[in-house]
Amino acid sequence: EDQVTQSPEALRLQEGESSSLNCSYTVSGLRGLFWYRQDPGKGPEFLFTLYSAGEEKEKERLKATLTKKESFLHITAPKPEDSATYLCAEYLISSGSARQLTFGSGTQLTVLP
Amino acid sequence: EAQVTQNPRYLITVTGKKLTVTCSQNMNHEYMSWYRQDPGLGLRQIYYSMNVEVTDKGDVPEGYKVSRKEKRNFPLILESPSPNQTSLYFCASSSTTYPGGTEAFFGQGTRLTVV
Repeated sequence: EDQVTQSPEALRLQEGESSSLNCSYTVSGLRGLFWYRQDPGKGPEFLFTLYSAGEEKEKERLKATLTKKESFLHITAPKPEDSATYLCAEYLISSGSARQLTFGSGTQLTVLP
Repeated sequence: EAQVTQNPRYLITVTGKKLTVTCSQNMNHEYMSWYRQDPGLGLRQIYYSMNVEVTDKGDVPEGYKVSRKEKRNFPLILESPSPNQTSLYFCASSSTTYPGGTEAFFGQGTRLTVV
């Protein structure tokens, strides 16, 4: 069964306190691993796509990495404006037909000033 | 500006009264989909469309219908809404689905309450 599991469910950090969010994905058939940011009451906003193990991408204080079984979103010296829910999603090709993204439940990040 | 537009943003309706949530994108994307988001369950796909007149079920299609008569529009239809369809709905579009997928652009969301 396709499954994306994110941990922790919630994370509270002090401003400047670096940490990582975890995303475990379905290993076989993975074609892409996506990270999104979602602010309350808004639609998810695209951050990164990773396609192969060892790949890394960075954007400001965020860096996403991909291993053979999981992905990490590293947040370096976070600021209060980084507070949001971070969603991980996998894109698979199943049974010869295209499938859309399967999302995890997200990690709710709160950065305290 | 590239965007996905959903309407309405908020809707309160009664059980059994048919409703349609519209979705339109201005990016000429082939792929469009609908998701519902519920606390603790995350985003779950309802239906998707790979192109005009091509639609398929996602993970939670029961109680919903869609149509794709034009490339830019992908309405979500609830023929007989029930309280368990109270949720936050998102429409999304992307340019390709194969081989690795590309980023999906999401609408602002429609908060539906069925009483």
